[in-house]
Amino acid sequence: EAGVAQSPRYKIIEKRQSVAFWCNPISGHATLYWYQQILGQGPKLLIQFQNNGVVDDSQLPKDRFSAERLKGVDSTLKIQPAKLEDSAVYLCASSTEGRMKTQYFGPGTRLLVL
Amino acid sequence: DAKTTQPPSMDCAEGRAANLPCNHSTISGNEYVYWYRQIHSQGPQYIIHGLKNNETNEMASLIITEDRKSSTLILPHATLRDTAVYYCIVRNNDMRFGAGTRLTVKP
Repeated sequence: EAGVAQSPRYKIIEKRQSVAFWCNPISGHATLYWYQQILGQGPKLLIQFQNNGVVDDSQLPKDRFSAERLKGVDSTLKIQPAKLEDSAVYLCASSTEGRMKTQYFGPGTRLLVL
Repeated sequence: DAKTTQPPSMDCAEGRAANLPCNHSTISGNEYVYWYRQIHSQGPQYIIHGLKNNETNEMASLIITEDRKSSTLILPHATLRDTAVYYCIVRNNDMRFGAGTRLTVKP
């Protein structure tokens, strides 16, 4: 069974530029999550989708971050404009529908903002 | 969700059992204990979870105390590939990661 796919694996941009990350969840997984992991810390949830609807985006900095999952499968996370403090690994995870389901993570995208 | 406390780092000799402790003294009755690990440059990997009873799978064993205020993850025969950051998460619904324990398995 294929795991969660993410691209790109690495991205370097200058501050004030925009960037987008892509995630393809495990086939059949209705729930998709985006996490931000700053160096030395554990992952922090940014947004959770159930199919193509947002369940929780309370931790998403909405002035600069946006995410979509238009067809209930793939998802993109965008940052516009990027700040230095956005340098982090952005992780995508997916799970089957329902509470307390095990989340499976992709390899992440490492973003460096200069 | 309840907060967890884990030691920041531990060492273990290759081939020996690795016992990783976690304190979760404010856990409530419907909260599960989950363990994930994160190997360098990879995403977190699910290991095991439990509510009240001890659990075992092909990767590890989870021992939860009777009062549920603490738990121990046991890797029975640690290998060099088990070197990673191990996260203990007390979960009602969403998952909140702490800083975890950095386990180093040494030859």
